[in-house]
Amino acid sequence: KAGVTQTPRYLIKTRGQQVTLSCSPISGHRSVSWYQQTPGQGLQFLFEYFSETQRNKGNFPGRFSGRQFSNSRSEMNVSTLELGDSALYLCASSLGRLAGVEEQYFGPGTRLTVT
Amino acid sequence: AQKITQTQPGMFVQEKEAVTLDCTYDTSDPSYGLFWYKQPSSGEMIFLIYQGSYDQQNATEGRYSLNFQKARKSANLVISASQLGDSAMYFCAMRTNRDDKIIFGKGTRLHILP
Repeated sequence: KAGVTQTPRYLIKTRGQQVTLSCSPISGHRSVSWYQQTPGQGLQFLFEYFSETQRNKGNFPGRFSGRQFSNSRSEMNVSTLELGDSALYLCASSLGRLAGVEEQYFGPGTRLTVT
Repeated sequence: AQKITQTQPGMFVQEKEAVTLDCTYDTSDPSYGLFWYKQPSSGEMIFLIYQGSYDQQNATEGRYSLNFQKARKSANLVISASQLGDSAMYFCAMRTNRDDKIIFGKGTRLHILP
C-alpha cells in the first residue's frame, strides 16, 4: 500500500509569491491534515479536511488556504509569501475520527524556503 | 488553554537500556487523546502509540508503552530495550474532543549510544 505522498519535496520561492503544495493520502483515507513545522514554533496545526469539507482550522492568517478534492487529494496554498513562512509542511492522512481511528500517517513533507 | 509540555530537550541513552520520555498535558476537557510520534532525521513523522482519556489500561505497541497517569496529567513514553534506530526526535501530542485540533509539544531529541 502506497504511503502519503507530498509534492514537491523542496521549493524555493521569493517573498510576495504564492505557492501550492500537494498531498495524496493513502488509498481509502478520507481525512487529510496539514501542519507547519519550524524550529521556533515547532509543529502547528493548519487545517483538516474530510470528504472535501474543512473540519477544523488552526490559528493561521487567511493567506493560508486549502482544499480537498473528491479523490481525497489535498492542496494547500500560501499567498503573498513571507520569510517566516519558510518551514517544513507536513501532510497527514487517516481514515478519520468518524471511523473511530486516531492514527495518522504522515508524508515526507515539503521543505519551503522563502528568500 | 490546552498545552503539552516536554521538559527534556535532549537525552543520551546507552543502547539496550530502557528510556522514558516525559510528557505532561493540560486540558479541562474530560475527553481527549494523547499521541506519541517519532521523527527521524529524514523528517517523516511516524505514529507510535495512542491513549484515550477513558482507556482503562495503558497503551502498548511492541517496545513502546505509554505510562498514563491521569491525575497527574502525565503521559510518558517508555521505550524498552532501546536500539540505535530509536535515535530521533519524539513528539507528544494531544487532541481534545472539544477543540478537535492536535497540538504538539516541543519534542525531545533522543540519542542512543552504541
